[in-house]
Amino acid sequence: QSALTQPASVSGSPGQSITISCTGTSSDVGDYKYVSWYQQHPGKAPKLMIYEVSYRPSGVSNRFSGSKSGNTASLTISGLQADDEAHYYCCLYTRSSTLFGGGTKLTVL
Amino acid sequence: QVQLVQSGAEVKKPGSSVKVSCKASGGILSSYTISWVRQAPGQGLEWMGRIIPVLSIANYALKFQGRVTITADKSTSTAYMELSSLRSEDTAVYYCAHMDQYTYAFDYWGQGTLVTVSS
Repeated sequence: QSALTQPASVSGSPGQSITISCTGTSSDVGDYKYVSWYQQHPGKAPKLMIYEVSYRPSGVSNRFSGSKSGNTASLTISGLQADDEAHYYCCLYTRSSTLFGGGTKLTVL
Repeated sequence: QVQLVQSGAEVKKPGSSVKVSCKASGGILSSYTISWVRQAPGQGLEWMGRIIPVLSIANYALKFQGRVTITADKSTSTAYMELSSLRSEDTAVYYCAHMDQYTYAFDYWGQGTLVTVSS
């Protein structure tokens, strides 16, 4: 199985909204609901932001939301803040494997 | 609250092996899964494999099959990842991550272990 496809970078100004896509195939993203998203700041371990496509763990801001359509999952961050600047990774669990996206660098202008 | 504490940084020669440990504590359920994920310098996350400690069942990413072994000691709640035939491209931070048995998401991560492969 190949890694999931994410844009290398996205950017936005404070207060704006951005969306990061995560594209797979009908055999992975299109067929499973266990898509999760992780935020990683430099030198830190990843942090879970979204699980099962659209659910937020306790403590994660409601500015973060997730969705899926067909073979593409998406992470939307609204009301951008300076601390949102980080790398974001999508992830898919399947019975035999786990796939990560290549990661997206979010720059807050 | 689950905590994962990993062993310290390692420097290894090409061709040798490395074994990294990950001790879990606090709030572990019986059927939890531990995965190993690595991150080369400036690169993304790469899943290597996982184990269900209570069953000692492991499965591996195709890329690493034959070169990685993931084990667990139930009595100490410690998981291990051993990578053999090391090469310079294996230089990376290696993370263990706890997968929630209901959401199949990595809800807790270890602090990471830097493995440097250099002659």
